[in-house]
Amino acid sequence: DTAVSQTPKYLVTQMGNDKSIKCEQNLGHDTMYWYKQDSKKFLKIMFSYNNKELIINETVPNRFSPKSPDKAHLNLHINSLELGDSAVYFCASSHLGLAENTGELFFGEGSRLTVL
Amino acid sequence: EDQVTQSPEALRLQEGESSSLNCSYTVSGLRGLFWYRQDPGKGPEFLFTLYSAGEEKEKERLKATLTKKESFLHITAPKPEDSATYLCAVQEGSSASKIIFGSGTRLSIRP
Repeated sequence: DTAVSQTPKYLVTQMGNDKSIKCEQNLGHDTMYWYKQDSKKFLKIMFSYNNKELIINETVPNRFSPKSPDKAHLNLHINSLELGDSAVYFCASSHLGLAENTGELFFGEGSRLTVL
Repeated sequence: EDQVTQSPEALRLQEGESSSLNCSYTVSGLRGLFWYRQDPGKGPEFLFTLYSAGEEKEKERLKATLTKKESFLHITAPKPEDSATYLCAVQEGSSASKIIFGSGTRLSIRP
């Protein structure tokens, strides 16, 4: 059983298109995250949700819109894709909110987005 | 601004050759320092949390230590299966603060 699953694993698309990445966790966690890993391997947080409520929204273009229909799902929709959006996007979850977190995040396998 | 710097960027060792990876951090009040392992094509996998200077954690051939300015991940007698990228991350002291990752050390162990 996959704890944190993301789809699709690979996504190749043209500039200007709109795309979505879906994430689901079956761990019963309250907090979910989206991270972006660039070509230099830096993992940067984009968004964090706790029980469907947005608690972290980093300086991310508003072309990126997260949606959490319930606490087990956190989807990422990207409008008007640009070349610089090419990266690996990781979904993660944690049992506790950031205030109590032990730092143990459970990551999905990543979704590699390539914008041509 | 909070920062996490890892060195070296890449490290190649012979099987059985012990070494250490470094993580230097700048944060206003450390809430926790974390080590993760990332295999190619996979998401990071949690290894340790360290909370205060002097603390140590061990898991198999790995031992993490923490000072006020840096953390070391010591690898003793590594095996080829220890090859991976090791990521360090920190969280500052204020509540609900984000976890900031370094760019990692890519470790290769030759048989």
